Amino acid sequence: QKEVEQNSGPLSVPEGAIASLNCTYSDRVSQSFFWYRQYSGKSPELIMSIYSNGDKEDGRFTAQLNKASQYVSLLIRDSQPSDSATYLCAVIQGAQKLVFGQGTRLTINP
Amino acid sequence: DAGVTQSPTHLIKTRGQQVTLRCSPISGHKSVSWYQQVLGQGPQFIFQYYEKEERGRGNFPDRFSARQFPNYSSELNVNALLLGDSALYLCASSLVAGNLNTEAFFGQGTRLTVV
Repeated sequence: QKEVEQNSGPLSVPEGAIASLNCTYSDRVSQSFFWYRQYSGKSPELIMSIYSNGDKEDGRFTAQLNKASQYVSLLIRDSQPSDSATYLCAVIQGAQKLVFGQGTRLTINP
Repeated sequence: DAGVTQSPTHLIKTRGQQVTLRCSPISGHKSVSWYQQVLGQGPQFIFQYYEKEERGRGNFPDRFSARQFPNYSSELNVNALLLGDSALYLCASSLVAGNLNTEAFFGQGTRLTVV
């Protein structure tokens, strides 16, 4: 079982709709979770961090964490073509390193 | 404020050669981590340095080494390059190490191609 798992996609969403990205993790003691956005040929950009169960909203982005189910998600409301990218879920392990999923490729169709 | 800066941005090396990649963290950040990202995969942890000391090492061979300088900048060295070392090498800067709620910010990366 991979430490952090994401559906690799591609996930295709019409412009203006809600994009939902999901991630599961295997280490039950994990406490810190991050979502990075990576455009093709570029480096990852931090867009959300979440540490407590529940929802955290920042603009059009909402991160959701359920530690009991070992599940973290990212919702993007009013999706724009500029949101087309690969979204990486990451978990801190051992207080020293980020463990990443393989990423979900999201395409927003105009 | 400048973000994380890495140099060079692109590099082409021949098998067997050695390479040094450089990273300057965000001003005030004391921790630098290195990651390798191959196409289609998420970044893989190589090293973390904090206050000039190695705090973590990933599952990479001894051909990979790193160090951190008094100004918190860092170098990653890879010896005896293999074709499989071709990847995007990412440096991540964070305020501290060992704090679970620490966010990490990436530089633009160095694209290494081994031929």
